[in-house]
Amino acid sequence: DTAVSQTPKYLVTQMGNDKSIKCEQNLGHDTMYWYKQDSKKFLKIMFSYNNKELIINETVPNRFSPKSPDKAHLNLHINSLELGDSAVYFCASSFRIVSTDTQYFGPGTRLTVL
Amino acid sequence: SQQGEEDPQALSIQEGENATMNCSYKTSINNLQWYRQNSGRGLVHLILIRSNEREKHSGRLRVTLDTSKKSSSLLITASRAADTASYFCATESQAGTALIFGKGTTLSVSS
Repeated sequence: DTAVSQTPKYLVTQMGNDKSIKCEQNLGHDTMYWYKQDSKKFLKIMFSYNNKELIINETVPNRFSPKSPDKAHLNLHINSLELGDSAVYFCASSFRIVSTDTQYFGPGTRLTVL
Repeated sequence: SQQGEEDPQALSIQEGENATMNCSYKTSINNLQWYRQNSGRGLVHLILIRSNEREKHSGRLRVTLDTSKKSSSLLITASRAADTASYFCATESQAGTALIFGKGTTLSVSS
């Protein structure tokens, strides 16, 4: 069974469109994250949720809106996509929101904005 | 702000050789983690070392931490082709609620 899954794996879309990426974890974790990895492999935290509550919202354009319907799911909706949004987006989860807890990553969603 | 910086950016070795990657960070930490990312995949946790530890082993992995120099190293002994991946160090954010990743070292092991 996949611990952290994301859909879709690939997403190609035009500038200006709105798209969503879904994430689900079956590990029973309380905390979930969204990361963005750019073309140089730099991985940056975007959001984290703990028990469906937003904990971290880094400097991310408000075109990005995370939604957590329950502890096992954290979706990412992106409005008015721009070329610079092209990247690989990773969902991750951990048991608690403490730095000593291992984070488990999904396989990533490669977003290409044309 | 970015916390960890790995060095070198890229490393190419032969199977059986050892690979050493270094990570430097800027502020005080409580712990440091290393993750591996295979091409096209998500990151996988390798090892965590706490600030009061100097060295930790896990299989063929050896991690050291020097808090006075604000640096850590990851040694992979007797490398295999399957070790080909990018390796990232991660430290905690100021609030301790997120991980801050470095830019990674890309390791290529040829047979």
